[in-house]
Amino acid sequence: QLVLTQSPSASASLGASVKLTCTLSSGHSSYAIAWHQQQPEKGPRYLMKLNSDGSHNKGDGIPDRFSGSRSGAERYLTISSLQSEDEADYYCQTWGTGVVFGGGTKLTVL
Amino acid sequence: EVQLLESGGGLVQPGGSLRLSCAASGFTFSSYAMNWVRPAPGKGLEWVSLISGSGDTTYYADSVKGRFTISRDNSKNTLYLQMNGLRAEDTAIYYCAKGASITGYNYFDYWGQGTLVTVSS
Repeated sequence: QLVLTQSPSASASLGASVKLTCTLSSGHSSYAIAWHQQQPEKGPRYLMKLNSDGSHNKGDGIPDRFSGSRSGAERYLTISSLQSEDEADYYCQTWGTGVVFGGGTKLTVL
Repeated sequence: EVQLLESGGGLVQPGGSLRLSCAASGFTFSSYAMNWVRPAPGKGLEWVSLISGSGDTTYYADSVKGRFTISRDNSKNTLYLQMNGLRAEDTAIYYCAKGASITGYNYFDYWGQGTLVTVSS
């Protein structure tokens, strides 16, 4: 079964960097994923598609502070130079015989 | 600029019906599959339904199969979700989301701001 696992919460200081993790279930380590950001009281926003080879395609207007990478079944979203507006929920998404979302990571900027 | 604007949410009694709409602009609507997504309490986001660009193929989550119907009017650049037999657990903000391809499951590259559906007596 295709499942995405995310840590429920993360925190980092203003101006620092943070790396969020999304783990694909066993047997699905080659899948591409997408990262989405949902700020409070707003609809989600597409950040990037992270391909199985580690390359990524960013959405419109997504700053260079956001980058993606992978290692095995793990997919990462790194946010550098954290700003207050980066405080949000971050979801990974994948697709195959359906569409699957991770449980989301709530990022707190200290 | 791509825009997706949902409407039609509201308060409805259990067992009732509601039709959501999503007005799209800024892209060739008929060239992309469209989706409905809602939050799942404690589980992040839940994909609800998908319709291909032509409208001839639809898919549903098991939780709504047989109760919800997705459709689209490409002449009006509008996506719909007809919701029948509503249950308390259907209470959520419903987002429309643009798929990255004309058909099949794919990632979502644009989202709307959502419309709130509340099912309660």
